[in-house]
Amino acid sequence: DSGVTQTPKHLITATGQRVTLRCSPRSGDLSVYWYQQSLDQGLQFLIQYYNGEERAKGNILERFSAQQFPDLHSELNLSSLELGDSALYFCASSERGQDHGANVLTFGAGSRLTVL
Amino acid sequence: GQQLNQSPQSMFIQEGEDVSMNCTSSSIFNTWLWYKQEPGEGPVLLIALYKAGELTSNGRLTAQFGITRKDSFLNISASIPSDVGIYFCAGRKTDSWGKLQFGAGTQVVVTP
Repeated sequence: DSGVTQTPKHLITATGQRVTLRCSPRSGDLSVYWYQQSLDQGLQFLIQYYNGEERAKGNILERFSAQQFPDLHSELNLSSLELGDSALYFCASSERGQDHGANVLTFGAGSRLTVL
Repeated sequence: GQQLNQSPQSMFIQEGEDVSMNCTSSSIFNTWLWYKQEPGEGPVLLIALYKAGELTSNGRLTAQFGITRKDSFLNISASIPSDVGIYFCAGRKTDSWGKLQFGAGTQVVVTP
């Protein structure tokens, strides 16, 4: 157990639907990251939050949004789902958000999303 | 898309053999990291490298940060069955916030 908790582990839904993935960071970590892992694109950085504020943005679609709450848990919202959104979505956390404090990422076990 | 070129894509080796994989980029990174992912799990950090030329070991694993800052390699010595998994390199650039770029991974299969 890495200490990063992601729910749900598996999710099957239909095109056009909306889902929310949830992440609780490791105790003491202030920064949360979301990554998408697919067969053709590998691990792609989506977005980073630090202590409730967005700090870095990667290849995140406009249909996707995220936030980090005061208790530091984070949610990734995926809307108007398409077949191509099927992937593993990982949350990771780190103690800090910058420099060396941002290098040691602890990943959760992932949420596997299947869009039919 | 990915900017890190990781090779080989896969390796089938016998127990006891050494494994070597590398990662190259057209960009300079100030940090190189190596992760391992097993089925059903997220990536787990193996080694972090912070300085050009740095050579760091973690048990049977050894990794080096290339002097050009554009490459890194990972060696696994005397492989054992539990070394099976996908190994990813990751690099971080000089901007301060935490985006990591990952290589496509090297799948390692160890046969007894």
